[in-house]
Amino acid sequence: AQKVTQAQTEISVVEKEDVTLDCVYETRDTTYYLFWYKQPPSGELVFLIRRNSFDEQNEISGRYSWNFQKSTSSFNFTITASQVVDSAVYFCALAIGTDKLIFGTGTRLQVFP
Amino acid sequence: DAGITQSPRYKITETGRQVTLMCHQTWSHSYMFWYRQDLGHGLRLIYYSAAADITDKGEVPDGYVVSRSKTENFPLTLESATRSQTSVYFCASSELAFGSNQPQHFGDGTRLSIL
Repeated sequence: AQKVTQAQTEISVVEKEDVTLDCVYETRDTTYYLFWYKQPPSGELVFLIRRNSFDEQNEISGRYSWNFQKSTSSFNFTITASQVVDSAVYFCALAIGTDKLIFGTGTRLQVFP
Repeated sequence: DAGITQSPRYKITETGRQVTLMCHQTWSHSYMFWYRQDLGHGLRLIYYSAAADITDKGEVPDGYVVSRSKTENFPLTLESATRSQTSVYFCASSELAFGSNQPQHFGDGTRLSIL
């Protein structure tokens, strides 16, 4: 079965706290791609990052970092020193083959001032 | 401006009516997609298209019809709307198919309410 699980439905933090959003995926394919998208309150979906299954290097982009671990089938997303503007729903997605892009159910992050 | 545009942004209609949601992209991407977003389900793929005149079903195609006569347009039609089709609909496009590292770029969504 192919599946993406974002077990955290909602997370609330205070500004400047670090927060990690979990993403666990299931697939038997050896070639796949993982994505994170952000959906701010305005509703649009914004692409954040992609990672292929052969590249386990972690990535940092400003306050954002991603930890990809094939051993635990996880692709977690950390926001350092969170800000109110980070408040959004974050989706993890798994792309397999030519006919599947599977989204998790999303994690709603609320950052309070 | 280049990008992907959905229209209308908001639509209210009645059960049994036909309604068409429009999607237009200016990148000349080969692939286009329609998703619906419902609470507790994340995004689910309705239909997708690999090129003009090529379409295929996604996870939840029942009750929907698509066409792609031109590369840049991918309209989604609800032939006889039902209340269960009340949702937020997103159109997306990408240069390559799912099994690639090319991300999908999404429109701003259409919020559809069926009374």
